Amino acid sequence: GAVVSQHPSRVICKSGTSVKIECRSLDFQATTMFWYRQFPKQSLMLMATSNEGSKATYEQGVEKDKFLINHASLTLSTLTVTSAHPEDSSFYICSARAGEWGSYNSPLHFGNGTRLTVT
Amino acid sequence: AQKVTQAQTEISVVEKEDVTLDCVYETRDTTYYLFWYKQPPSGELVFLIRRNSFDEQNEISGRYSWNFQKSTSSFNFTITASQVVDSAVYFCALPPSSGTYKYIFGTGTRLKVLA
Repeated sequence: GAVVSQHPSRVICKSGTSVKIECRSLDFQATTMFWYRQFPKQSLMLMATSNEGSKATYEQGVEKDKFLINHASLTLSTLTVTSAHPEDSSFYICSARAGEWGSYNSPLHFGNGTRLTVT
Repeated sequence: AQKVTQAQTEISVVEKEDVTLDCVYETRDTTYYLFWYKQPPSGELVFLIRRNSFDEQNEISGRYSWNFQKSTSSFNFTITASQVVDSAVYFCALPPSSGTYKYIFGTGTRLKVLA
């Protein structure tokens, strides 16, 4: 149980284009999903918290117009990297909490991640 | 403030050796949980275990064992008879404290198991 599916796993795009990454909870409902970015050999950096039916909460320093997050249903959140540039190249990982009513003590379950390369 | 420290950046062992990954945490909560995750080279973070602060008994699951000591604020992870497939980055984490929403991850320990 508690499977999170993230798609695509790899994407290469040209500078200036937009890329959409999907994150789905397959066997549970997720009112909250988290989007992380991970640089090589570093820990996870929280970008934003995605709440179903409301606006995402972005971390300090994360441009909300650059990284558009939509959480339209209890099983789907999307991250769109708009007008991507080479510095946006990174590993993006989504996660969701599968606990009773989203208990804060529930572990996060992660998608497989998306490796974005902007040329 | 919530904090997780994994002082070991990288560890290399030879296959079949035992290895212990350290995790030291800080939390203002009196009741709390701790997690360990594994991130293999493929990138996906795999949830390994959740322990709560009420239970300081060691947990064993196959070759994995966890030692939780509240007195030293540590939650260490031991792999017995390591295998090449254990090569990964391991993260220790705290769930959000009351009134917050962020999970706190350590910086991770990269384990290399050599054949």
